[in-house]
Amino acid sequence: EVQLLESGGDLVQPGGSLSLSCAASGFTFSNYAMTWVRQAPGKGLEWVSDIRDSSGSTLYADSVKGRFTISRDDFKSTLYLQMNSLRAEDTAIYYCARYYYDSSPYPFDYWGQGTLVIVSS
Amino acid sequence: DIQMTQSPSTLSASVGDRVSITCRASQSISSWLAWYQQKPGKAPKLLIYKASSLESGVPLRFSGSGSGTEFTLTISSLQPDDSATYYCQQYNSNPYTFGQGTKLEIK
Repeated sequence: EVQLLESGGDLVQPGGSLSLSCAASGFTFSNYAMTWVRQAPGKGLEWVSDIRDSSGSTLYADSVKGRFTISRDDFKSTLYLQMNSLRAEDTAIYYCARYYYDSSPYPFDYWGQGTLVIVSS
Repeated sequence: DIQMTQSPSTLSASVGDRVSITCRASQSISSWLAWYQQKPGKAPKLLIYKASSLESGVPLRFSGSGSGTEFTLTISSLQPDDSATYYCQQYNSNPYTFGQGTKLEIK
């Protein structure tokens, strides 16, 4: 059974840092691209960042570029999101999700349950 | 970035009704469109991919159609369990953008 389990969400002050993790199981982690999607309270879904593989193919939303860093450890089947210079508008539930990739695009077929990040003084 | 616009934003219907939600893309995305269902406090769940392909385990009352810039999610006979927010997402090109969501309520 595919499982994605996020952790690391917390209350942090503006300007602070936080590291999120997403532990994967039930599938061959290295065969999938991984992504972070966030949802501010009462709002819609916002894509945050992608990582295709450990070679460093990454993408970021303009709203987090230069502040967030996505990475992965295929040996530990774990996805990470390092968040620096946090702002109030980063307050959200952060979901990790997987998607397959080859010559065709694929949707996000499995999602974790999310971890809550609150940025407030 | 490709903008995705859903309509309506909210929808109220009765059990047994046929309901449709529309999603429009700001440029052609071929058929690279997905629909997700999200219930309160839960993660989104993939319902439809490639505009009209039903994800495994999703009830047959859900269907998708469209290509290019206009897409539709249809529920043929609404059930109480279908109360949720529905999102479309284009995955034709990065960033993979979402629509703003349609909240479906059961009367």
